[in-house]
Amino acid sequence: EPEVTQTPSHQVTQMGQEVILRCVPISNHLYFYWYRQILGQKVEFLVSFYNNEISEKSEIFDDQFSVERPDGSNFTLKIRSTKLEDSAMYFCASDGTGSMYEQYFGPGTRLTVT
Amino acid sequence: AQTVTQSQPEMSVQEAETVTLSCTYDTSESDYYLFWYKQPPSRQMILVIRQEAYKQQNATENRFSVNFQKAAKSFSLKISDSQLGDAAMYFCAYIGQAGTALIFGKGTTLSVSS
Repeated sequence: EPEVTQTPSHQVTQMGQEVILRCVPISNHLYFYWYRQILGQKVEFLVSFYNNEISEKSEIFDDQFSVERPDGSNFTLKIRSTKLEDSAMYFCASDGTGSMYEQYFGPGTRLTVT
Repeated sequence: AQTVTQSQPEMSVQEAETVTLSCTYDTSESDYYLFWYKQPPSRQMILVIRQEAYKQQNATENRFSVNFQKAAKSFSLKISDSQLGDAAMYFCAYIGQAGTALIFGKGTTLSVSS
């Protein structure tokens, strides 16, 4: 069964460094998302992406964050200058048509900022 | 703004028994979708079941079923014949027809004892 994959599974970085989290959505899906989950808290929406542009973003998704689909398979989240509070689990998700409203999540990347 | 509330931080059930997890939501939209996601210790988010608001019939997926009460804005998850593998955090989530962001509740931790 097709699945969303994410790399790396765990990333440790120092405060102020740039990180890129990578996702490979399900191949025929058109809508892509990033969510984050700070340990022990609920999952929060960051951004949605369709047709090579951002569809919606939350207040969390400030100028430090950016997303890109550099090729036909990858979908990336970049954090330009990481802060301690960016430490969280980051989930990528994809959705086949948008009209089905079924977002399939990847296994997540645990980001630790020291 | 839409909100999702899960009032039970923790629930427990014995193997083979039935348990119901509660979820309420607040929205002014008439068309929307509701979901239950399971998050085991691996922290992968797994879609359990989906309900379209325009459908009166409650969704069912094997041992998982929902009780959707649109007027009361209630969406509970019933797990029948509970298994040890059902132990996880369960998140209720909402998405409006016009939106792209899943809005999650804070989750309910379900423990299953033998």
